[in-house]
Amino acid sequence: EVHLVESGGGLVQPGGSLRLSCAASGFTFNIYAMTWVRQAPGKGLEWVSGISESGGRIYYADSVKGRFTFSRDNSKNTLYLQMNSLTAEDTAVYYCAKVGENNGDYWYFDVWGRGTLVTVSS
Amino acid sequence: EIVLTQSPATLSLSPGERATLSCRASQSVSSYLVWYQQKPGQAPRLLIYDAFKRASGIPARFSGSGSGTDFTLTISSLEPEDFVVYYCQQRSNWPLTFGGGTKVEIK
Repeated sequence: EVHLVESGGGLVQPGGSLRLSCAASGFTFNIYAMTWVRQAPGKGLEWVSGISESGGRIYYADSVKGRFTFSRDNSKNTLYLQMNSLTAEDTAVYYCAKVGENNGDYWYFDVWGRGTLVTVSS
Repeated sequence: EIVLTQSPATLSLSPGERATLSCRASQSVSSYLVWYQQKPGQAPRLLIYDAFKRASGIPARFSGSGSGTDFTLTISSLEPEDFVVYYCQQRSNWPLTFGGGTKVEIK
């Protein structure tokens, strides 16, 4: 069965940093692009970042560009989201998700993790 | 950035009724429009991709239509578990964007 499990969330002070991880299992990880999507409490979904199968292409939302770094380790079937200079506006549940098809730019998401909560507050 | 506007924000209907949800894009996204369902406390679930293609395991009462800038998600006969929130997403241009959501509530 395909599984994505996020970890690394928690409480961090404004201006601080946090690194999220997403462990994947049940599919051939290195042939699928992946993404992070977040959801602030009581709000809608916001796309954060996407990474290609090899990690050679990475895309960011303007709201996180220059502060967040998305990476992957295909030998460990794991994604990472390094988040720096955090503000209250970054408070959200962060989901990792898998794209629906390989071998192309199929940026819709058919498998999601349960999410990890990041709270930025003093 | 492509802005997706979902309407209505809230849709009040009864079980068994037909639901019609709209998603309008600020510029053409061709057929690269996706629909998700989200239940409280859960991650989103893929329903429809590329405007009309039903995802694996999705009941036939869910259907999608449209192209260009105007898209519709139709639920032919609402079941009790369908009264949740629905989001559209475009994958035509970077950055990817989501609509604000439509909540389907019991009338």
